[in-house]
Amino acid sequence: NAGVMQNPRHLVRRRGQEARLRCSPMKGHSHVYWYRQLPEEGLKFMVYLQKENIIDESGMPKERFSAEFPKEGPSILRIQQVVRGDSAAYFCASSPGQGARSYGYTFGSGTRLTVV
Amino acid sequence: DQQVKQNSPSLSVQEGRISILNCDYTNSMFDYFLWYKKYPAEGPTFLISISSIKDKNEDGRFTVFLNKSAKHLSLHIVPSQPGDSAVYFCAARTTGDMRFGAGTRLTVKP
Repeated sequence: NAGVMQNPRHLVRRRGQEARLRCSPMKGHSHVYWYRQLPEEGLKFMVYLQKENIIDESGMPKERFSAEFPKEGPSILRIQQVVRGDSAAYFCASSPGQGARSYGYTFGSGTRLTVV
Repeated sequence: DQQVKQNSPSLSVQEGRISILNCDYTNSMFDYFLWYKKYPAEGPTFLISISSIKDKNEDGRFTVFLNKSAKHLSLHIVPSQPGDSAVYFCAARTTGDMRFGAGTRLTVKP
C-alpha cells in the first residue's frame, strides 16, 4: 500500500442515483478524513472517522450524505439521490492518529464525481 | 464558517524571485499550521508545518512564518522555480480535524 487509495478516480451518475466513493487509508493509519472541493473553491471538511466510529461529521450535509469506516475494508462516502450540485472532487486523507498532528495528513488522488 | 482564509486567489512571480503566500485565521485554538501543495488531478501533498509555539520554520527553499498576535501566517519560497507552480493551501488544526483555506494559485514564470 503505497499511499491513500481512492476509487473510482472518476464517477458519473445521473440525478437521483447513488454514488459510493471508497477510500483505503495508508497502512498503519487509523484515522480517515473526507473533504470536498467544489469548482474554484478550496477544500471543505466533511467528516472525520476512526475505525467503526464517526468522530466529527460537522461538515456533512444533513441529508443524503453518510460515511462509514468499518472494522474491515475501506471507508465509504455514500451520497444518495445525487443532484448536480454534488458534482465535485472528493478527497480522502488518512493519518496515524493524534500524535502526528505536526505533519498533517496523507491525501489520496481524489474521486471526481459528475452528476448529469 | 471560514476559519482559515487565503485572500489572494492567484500569484505570479518570476523564476528566481521570492514567492510570498499569505493566510489568516480566526480560531485561536489552532495549534498547528500547515501548507499543502496541489497539482491538477492530484491530491494535496504536505509541504511544511509550524507549531503555534514557534514563529518560524525553515525547510530548504520553504519557510513558514507565524504571527500569532495578528493570526497570520505566510509561506516564503526562495528562489522560486517553475516546478513550484501549483495551488497552495494553508491549513490549521486543533485536536481534531484540519481546516483549509481556499487556496492560492502560484505561477512561476521562466
